[in-house]
Amino acid sequence: DVKVTQSSRYLVKRTGEKVFLECVQDMDHENMFWYRQDPGLGLRLIYFSYDVKMKEKGDIPEGYSVSREKKERFSLILESASTNQTSMYLCASSPPGGVLNIQYFGAGTRLSVL
Amino acid sequence: AQTVTQSQPEMSVQEAETVTLSCTYDTSESDYYLFWYKQPPSRQMILVIRQEAYKQQNATENRFSVNFQKAAKSFSLKISDSQLGDAAMYFCAYRQGGSEKLVFGKGTKLTVNP
Repeated sequence: DVKVTQSSRYLVKRTGEKVFLECVQDMDHENMFWYRQDPGLGLRLIYFSYDVKMKEKGDIPEGYSVSREKKERFSLILESASTNQTSMYLCASSPPGGVLNIQYFGAGTRLSVL
Repeated sequence: AQTVTQSQPEMSVQEAETVTLSCTYDTSESDYYLFWYKQPPSRQMILVIRQEAYKQQNATENRFSVNFQKAAKSFSLKISDSQLGDAAMYFCAYRQGGSEKLVFGKGTKLTVNP
């Protein structure tokens, strides 16, 4: 079974802190994704990585950055956390291309910024 | 840009009954894929069913089936013999052929009543 592991289920941070959300997948997938999930808004893509050190902005990249130094790990960074970044963050991974390109999700990190 | 619309924020069904969740999408592309994902409470999102746009036959996975109406750009999910474990948020998603990214609807919360 594919496993996507997010390092924290719950996280509480203060405004202005630098926050790291970590995601690890064990299926050697090329693609990894960070989403933000808010009630009534569904999932919105923050950043996408299709290879080590490669990244592409999603729909809502403002206030976020990412790092992918190793294939299995994809980190989401909030440079200076703000209260409007309080949300559920989901990581996903997928193999490249075709109908088999199914995204596999982690359990999510619920971040509260106070 | 492609959009996915789920017009029912919440639905409920009696155990053992059938329920249909609606999804429409907007695209000018001919090569694309459609998905239904399920997110149980406090658990990770998993794929329920997928459909390739070039296939006329509706996809089926056990109690889950879709009604894919390409001309109408409609992709509804039918759940037969509903079970308590079907209670979850359901997200419809679109992926353009050649793209790795998913576009999600805002979700439908399904409640199953015993």
